[in-house]
Amino acid sequence: GQQLNQSPQSMFIQEGEDVSMNCTSSSIFNTWLWYKQDPGEGPVLLIALYKAGELTSNGRLTAQFGITRKDSFLNISASIPSDVGIYFCAGQGSSNTGKLIFGQGTTLQVKP
Amino acid sequence: DTAVSQTPKYLVTQMGNDKSIKCEQNLGHDTMYWYKQDSKKFLKIMFSYNNKELIINETVPNRFSPKSPDKAHLNLHINSLELGDSAVYFCASSSRGNSYEQYFGPGTRLTVT
Repeated sequence: GQQLNQSPQSMFIQEGEDVSMNCTSSSIFNTWLWYKQDPGEGPVLLIALYKAGELTSNGRLTAQFGITRKDSFLNISASIPSDVGIYFCAGQGSSNTGKLIFGQGTTLQVKP
Repeated sequence: DTAVSQTPKYLVTQMGNDKSIKCEQNLGHDTMYWYKQDSKKFLKIMFSYNNKELIINETVPNRFSPKSPDKAHLNLHINSLELGDSAVYFCASSSRGNSYEQYFGPGTRLTVT
């Protein structure tokens, strides 16, 4: 089945630093999404991408849908302590069932 | 107001028992989902319902049975619980026009002893 490889698995950075994480797939996705999960909570949608090459921002977050439709990246600029959490990429293939495939997650820790 | 709510938040039970987890959404969405998150935080879809009709049914054991009394509710019943069922279960919902933007509940941590 379709799988997503998300990297890095974890990051430990200093407050104020920029962060970059990415997701790749062996197959094409029509939609890419990025979610954040805080401890003890459910994932929260950050950014949704629908077109190859699309670059979308949400505050300090910027995400891009790769031209090949097989990858996506998420950047966080000027990180702050509340950015701590697990970031998941998710992709949707050609079927219109709403079935999302999730990456393994990137755990981000920010040192004040 | 909570958009997607689940009860209970925590569930500890013994092997062999039957248990249910309830989910409700007040977003007016047509589609609801159940996901399982394992100890490594991997999220995998189990089921989805669109307006009470089963749409996605992944290779989940028959012991798991979703029930949707109306489009705002999707409950998950699990029979004969096993140790491997221990996980966090998330309910989610989305609108008909945009099934990819899914809104998740807070999760139910199930521990089977």
